[in-house]
Amino acid sequence: DTGVSQNPRHKITKRGQNVTFRCDPISEHNRLYWYRQTLGQGPEFLTYFQNEAQLEKSRLLSDRFSAERPKGSFSTLEIQRTEQGDSAMYLCASSPNSRSYTDTQYFGPGTRLTVL
Amino acid sequence: AQKITQTQPGMFVQEKEAVTLDCTYDTSDPSYGLFWYKQPSSGEMIFLIYQGSYDQQNATEGRYSLNFQKARKSANLVISASQLGDSAMYFCAMSTNYGGATNKLIFGTGTLLAVQP
Repeated sequence: DTGVSQNPRHKITKRGQNVTFRCDPISEHNRLYWYRQTLGQGPEFLTYFQNEAQLEKSRLLSDRFSAERPKGSFSTLEIQRTEQGDSAMYLCASSPNSRSYTDTQYFGPGTRLTVL
Repeated sequence: AQKITQTQPGMFVQEKEAVTLDCTYDTSDPSYGLFWYKQPSSGEMIFLIYQGSYDQQNATEGRYSLNFQKARKSANLVISASQLGDSAMYFCAMSTNYGGATNKLIFGTGTLLAVQP
């Protein structure tokens, strides 16, 4: 299977701890997105990478959040000093590099974070 | 402002019947794409169907079709011959060129579909 993969699938942590999630996009896709989905809502955009360059960050991404894509392949999303409000599903998606609004984004299975 | 509205929080449908899930959108950008995703209880977002703003014909993908009415800014998903496995949350989403080339998706709040035997 060559779809988008995410690890871990579930993460339970205590408030104040740091957590890191990983996303491996579809191999030929240069564009990578992170979204956050809270209960009963649709996903909300967090950040976007074109290859290794982080080109856009949402205002939702506070300074406790950092994302990287060091070699233009996999990406990591780190949350420092977690808060209970960070509890959510974190979704990663990738799409081809045609710079078009018509490109379909393919999602991974998500990482469900629970902050106690 | 870019916005997607899904007014049906939940719907029931009998197995083998057709069902329509509503979606309206708002954008001032003439170039946009509309997408439908399915999210089962496992959490993964599964792409179903796409419609571009300049497409002349309604999109179809197997049992899924998109009823695109540009003047009314609606992009309803039609599922024909419902199956028990169609029970899931369904999200409508939009991508535009507004604000640059990010093409991030803007999602609605979703519709929970329950297929009854």
